[in-house]
Amino acid sequence: DAKTTQPPSMDCAEGRAANLPCNHSTISGNEYVYWYRQIHSQGPQYIIHGLKNNETNEMASLIITEDRKSSTLILPHATLRDTAVYYCIVRYPANTGNQFYFGTGTSLTVIP
Amino acid sequence: KAGVTQTPRYLIKTRGQQVTLSCSPISGHRSVSWYQQTPGQGLQFLFEYFSETQRNKGNFPGRFSGRQFSNSRSEMNVSTLELGDSALYLCASSQNDRIAGNTIYFGEGSWLTVV
Repeated sequence: DAKTTQPPSMDCAEGRAANLPCNHSTISGNEYVYWYRQIHSQGPQYIIHGLKNNETNEMASLIITEDRKSSTLILPHATLRDTAVYYCIVRYPANTGNQFYFGTGTSLTVIP
Repeated sequence: KAGVTQTPRYLIKTRGQQVTLSCSPISGHRSVSWYQQTPGQGLQFLFEYFSETQRNKGNFPGRFSGRQFSNSRSEMNVSTLELGDSALYLCASSQNDRIAGNTIYFGEGSWLTVV
């Protein structure tokens, strides 16, 4: 699975959009981009995933560049409850096993 | 639909003992994977079970083992506990098929402290 690079930490003002970048320059054509977050002492929470098109759900938007070498997770209106570590992971699709490699992620702090 | 359930949530064991952790996946999910999380090593993959068979295994010693039952519930066991085994153990489940994909959903974890 492709390796990802994320900034170790970011701050965001409450109510503003949080834009979390992820670099995955070695991603292959069949690999999906997944985002999870982990609030302190809890299990990681699935946020969103995508292959090449931009995706949006009730939690966030995922913007993948045309060359697929990087992506951005957007939390449109960050709240204090969004303070967490955010993990970007690239994975092959189903039936190849469920081994997810979590890096060190980005620690997002939402400031009041 | 109920989420992934892990028991126990917290436990304390003594070095040399063994421990068994339990995981009930989301209904209909056939894949169960286990992860260990420590401050120093982060989230690390232990193993994955699918249809009662271990499908993938991470780089952990043989003291770490697991199994999956016919109802997809899973257990993991750690024998001869060491202080370094103190960690948050996370279970995740997935439908793991071509249509539903392999998004994994985590439980809240079991906190193990070895003293």
